[in-house]
Amino acid sequence: EVQLVQSGVEVKKPGESLKISCKGSGYSFTNYWIGWVRQMPGKGLEWMGIIYPGDSHVKYGPSFQGQVTISVDNFISTAYLQWSSLKASDTAIYYCARHEVLHGSGWDYYYIDVWGKGTTVTVSS
Amino acid sequence: QPVLTQSSSASASLGSSVKLTCTLSSGHSEYIIAWHQQQPGKAPRYLMKIGGDGRYSKGSGVPDRFSASISGADRYLTISNLQSEDEADYYCETWDNRGVFGGGTKLTVL
Repeated sequence: EVQLVQSGVEVKKPGESLKISCKGSGYSFTNYWIGWVRQMPGKGLEWMGIIYPGDSHVKYGPSFQGQVTISVDNFISTAYLQWSSLKASDTAIYYCARHEVLHGSGWDYYYIDVWGKGTTVTVSS
Repeated sequence: QPVLTQSSSASASLGSSVKLTCTLSSGHSEYIIAWHQQQPGKAPRYLMKIGGDGRYSKGSGVPDRFSASISGADRYLTISNLQSEDEADYYCETWDNRGVFGGGTKLTVL
């Protein structure tokens, strides 16, 4: 069974750093893009970015470029989302998401086919 | 890049059918989209994807009550024989060098 197991609840203060994780199992980790989706309290889903474990190539959403860092450790089939200095506005649930890719003539289409259960991050002084 | 527009809410009675709409912005009517369901307090779940040719494919374990169709730039998710557990938020998703989500539709089962 394909699973994405995320790390637990985090409560942090503004200015602190944080790294949350997502461990993939039940599939070939290095063959699928894996990424992160933010859901702020009471709001919709926002796509943050993805990484290809095979070569560590990363794509970020415009709102998140320079704000977070996405990385992987292929030895333990784990993806990470990292902040160097948290803000109160980073309070949200962060979902890990495996992406499948369709290839066509001159186009690629990426979509989420497996979701993690989410990591709740609260940033408050 | 494409914008996905969804109605903020919808409602239908237990046992009836409902059709949710996701509209692609101008110039993107051929795009593939995916549908996701988020039940209250839970993580989203992938339901299915549908392309500009109307062909769709469902995720593992998605009931037959769920289906998809298209008309021009509109992508539809139809749920038949509504059950109480279908009460959820439904999001459409597409791709244009980055992921894009619609604003989501909150479905209430009466």
